[in-house]
Amino acid sequence: ETGVTQTPRHLVMGMTNKKSLKCEQHLGHNAMYWYKQSAKKPLELMFVYNFKEQTENNSVPSRFSPECPNSSHLFLHLHTLQPEDSALYLCASSQDEVGVSGTEAFFGQGTRLTVV
Amino acid sequence: AQSVSQHNHHVILSEAASLELGCNYSYGGTVNLFWYVQYPGQHLQLLLKYFSGDPLVKGIKGFEAEFIKSKFSFNLRKPSVQWSDTAEYFCAGRASKIIFGSGTRLSIRP
Repeated sequence: ETGVTQTPRHLVMGMTNKKSLKCEQHLGHNAMYWYKQSAKKPLELMFVYNFKEQTENNSVPSRFSPECPNSSHLFLHLHTLQPEDSALYLCASSQDEVGVSGTEAFFGQGTRLTVV
Repeated sequence: AQSVSQHNHHVILSEAASLELGCNYSYGGTVNLFWYVQYPGQHLQLLLKYFSGDPLVKGIKGFEAEFIKSKFSFNLRKPSVQWSDTAEYFCAGRASKIIFGSGTRLSIRP
């Protein structure tokens, strides 16, 4: 248990569906992240939020829409996804942005997304 | 552009063998380097990190890594692996943002 909880753990959705992934952290951290983990590829940073403000969007297609209502919660809204978007989506949090004052990221267990 | 490379995609060892997983980064300036491990079905967890000071960093579960600035490397080592070390290992580095390598799958034969 890392203190970072993601729901759902598994999700199957059609290309015309709209769904949301949820991430919650109970660590009092200020920064939260979405990553995409595909087979045989490096972990890809998608979005960074620091104190609820988006500080990084790593050229992510607009069919992925993040939302950070407060420092403890992070959502990833999904619509009109493609089969190639199937992957493990990981949420992480850190006290400050990673690298600041020795900070590292704590990861959730991920949501396994399958787009059919 | 900053990048982190892991050249070993899959390593297979017998129990008690020594382990070294390679990691190279390609950016200058201040470097923050990490090794994460992902056991089957579990979340990514930090093994060790380097920010400054002693270039030989000791982590959890008997792992260590050495930062060699001249070689742009941060290789992970363990003198004697166990079956329970079977996992995927990710090197990561941060200059302006954190970048992960593609991971190395480690399989241990009992």
